[in-house]
Amino acid sequence: DAKTTQPNSMESNEEEPVHLPCNHSTISGTDYIHWYRQLPSQGPEYVIHGLTSNVNNRMASLAIAEDRKSSTLILHRATLRDAAVYYCILREYGSSNTGKLIFGQGTTLQVKP
Amino acid sequence: SQTIHQWPATLVQPVGSPLSLECTVEGTSNPNLYWYRQAAGRGLQLLFYSVGIGQISSEVPQNLSASRPQDRQFILSSKKLLLSDSGFYLCAWGEYNEQFFGPGTRLTVL
Repeated sequence: DAKTTQPNSMESNEEEPVHLPCNHSTISGTDYIHWYRQLPSQGPEYVIHGLTSNVNNRMASLAIAEDRKSSTLILHRATLRDAAVYYCILREYGSSNTGKLIFGQGTTLQVKP
Repeated sequence: SQTIHQWPATLVQPVGSPLSLECTVEGTSNPNLYWYRQAAGRGLQLLFYSVGIGQISSEVPQNLSASRPQDRQFILSSKKLLLSDSGFYLCAWGEYNEQFFGPGTRLTVL
């Protein structure tokens, strides 16, 4: 499984945008970029995923570099409830797809009021 | 809608005792199922996954085993617990693009 690199921690102020970076220089053509987040004492929850084009949903936006070697998760207005560990994961799609997710250490986001 | 159940929510067990954690999924059929463990202050580690009844793949060598006796039931077991088995155990089921996680079981081995 291809690896991702994320900063260990980031801080943000409430109501401001947050840009969470992820490097994945060894990404292959069949790897999708997935983001999950984990609130304290809970299981992870899906945030967003994409392949090549930028993606938007109700939770966040995903900006993918043209060479796909990096991506950025964008929270448009951080709230205190967004404080969590954010995981960037590469997931391969193919005929033998098992759907496995290999989690790294993620980025711990602190949101200040 | 789909839901995923895990029990118990918390468990305290002595070293050397057996373990059985159960996970069930409702509202879907033939799901991919996964067991993860998160040790204190660490990331999630995939332990087992299953793509069908009786089909179990192990990701890491360890003191644990998994079984899938029914389509929507996934069980994590151990014959003799170690101190290092303490952690937060999460079951998940997968659709094509997304995994859905259960509430987890917090296991403390003393």
